[in-house]
Amino acid sequence: EAGVAQSPRYKIIEKRQSVAFWCNPISGHATLYWYQQILGQGPKLLIQFQNNGVVDDSQLPKDRFSAERLKGVDSTLKIQPAKLEDSAVYLCASSFSPLLPNEQFFGPGTRLTVL
Amino acid sequence: GQNIDQPTEMTATEGAIVQINCTYQTSGFNGLFWYQQHAGEAPTFLSYNVLDGLEEKGRFSSFLSRSKGYSYLLLKELQMKDSASYLCAVRVDAGKSTFGDGTTLTVKP
Repeated sequence: EAGVAQSPRYKIIEKRQSVAFWCNPISGHATLYWYQQILGQGPKLLIQFQNNGVVDDSQLPKDRFSAERLKGVDSTLKIQPAKLEDSAVYLCASSFSPLLPNEQFFGPGTRLTVL
Repeated sequence: GQNIDQPTEMTATEGAIVQINCTYQTSGFNGLFWYQQHAGEAPTFLSYNVLDGLEEKGRFSSFLSRSKGYSYLLLKELQMKDSASYLCAVRVDAGKSTFGDGTTLTVKP
């Protein structure tokens, strides 16, 4: 079974530039998550999708971050404009359903450096 | 709010047993997960507890006490490859989990 795919793996940009990340979840997984993981901290949920609908985006900085999951499969996360404090690893995860137990499968992440 | 506490770092010797504790105060509770994360890699699932008691899976065991807001991960017969960060995560509602900051375990020969 193929795992969660993410691209790019690494990205370096200057502050105020824009960047986009892509995620392809495991086939058949209805729930998709985007997390931000700052070095030395645990993953922080940015947004959760159930199929193509948003379940939770309470911690997404909506003035600069946006995400979509068209057709309920692939998802993109965008930052515009980027700030220095956005330097982190952005993890995408998916799970089969929100029902118990919903083990999450994580992708390899995108390491973003903002200069 | 959500509060999950774990020790920042632990060190243990190869072949030994180590217990990593996690305490939580969350607005909801629908289970507790433990994930392992090697440096530079994605978290991978280790265990899930929703009822009180001990769940054993090979060298790894996880315990939960809901009344105390407490869990631990027990690693036996430590191996060098067990050096990693261990993340405690509480499922607070449908599909949503809140993660602690992780415990970095270093296994020494």
